[in-house]
Amino acid sequence: GAVVSQHPSRVICKSGTSVKIECRSLDFQATTMFWYRQFPKQSLMLMATSNEGSKATYEQGVEKDKFLINHASLTLSTLTVTSAHPEDSSFYICSVLAGGSTGELFFGEGSRLTVL
Amino acid sequence: QQQVKQSPQSLIVQKGGISIINCAYENTAFDYFPWYQQFPGKGPALLIAIRPDVSEKKEGRFTISFNKSAKQFSLHIMDSQPGDSATYFCAASRGTGNQFYFGTGTSLTVIP
Repeated sequence: GAVVSQHPSRVICKSGTSVKIECRSLDFQATTMFWYRQFPKQSLMLMATSNEGSKATYEQGVEKDKFLINHASLTLSTLTVTSAHPEDSSFYICSVLAGGSTGELFFGEGSRLTVL
Repeated sequence: QQQVKQSPQSLIVQKGGISIINCAYENTAFDYFPWYQQFPGKGPALLIAIRPDVSEKKEGRFTISFNKSAKQFSLHIMDSQPGDSATYFCAASRGTGNQFYFGTGTSLTVIP
């Protein structure tokens, strides 16, 4: 399967600071990436769809000013949690949609954010 | 509205037994049905996937059974091992470049 590199795997920050999470597609160019949030023992919650060269499409209820997504290249998408608060603490996972006819979705290793 | 319904929520199986996880969907436009395996603190990993043109797909100990008329698909893990203990998610999508809809997950525990 495709290799998706996500960094950092863990981050602890103080309330009010901003945190950037990077997602890189190492095997192929990805025009579409998805960002998910996962709470303990729960399913994956889609936050936004990131399309290279255009603005991200956010799901209902997700604050686009709080969760800034940039997809400036075909191999890199970033999620910035701005002015983080303890309730933003969560597991954030990016995924890359394989090109061509396969339509397969590959996930990064996830980033555990803890806001103190 | 949950696009993909998954059951059971948790499952305990003896080593060597068969683990079966079921999913059901409503949207007949879905044409790709993957299963993901997730270990604690890790991202989901694609395990096996099927498209509606076949009723079964087998890869090693993992088999997907697909019933198009019933709009159901299931994951069978044969000869379950303790290393299979993880959370499993089914999903469905339509076409390419479209959103994936995930089930709520099944926590599988295989006891020695």
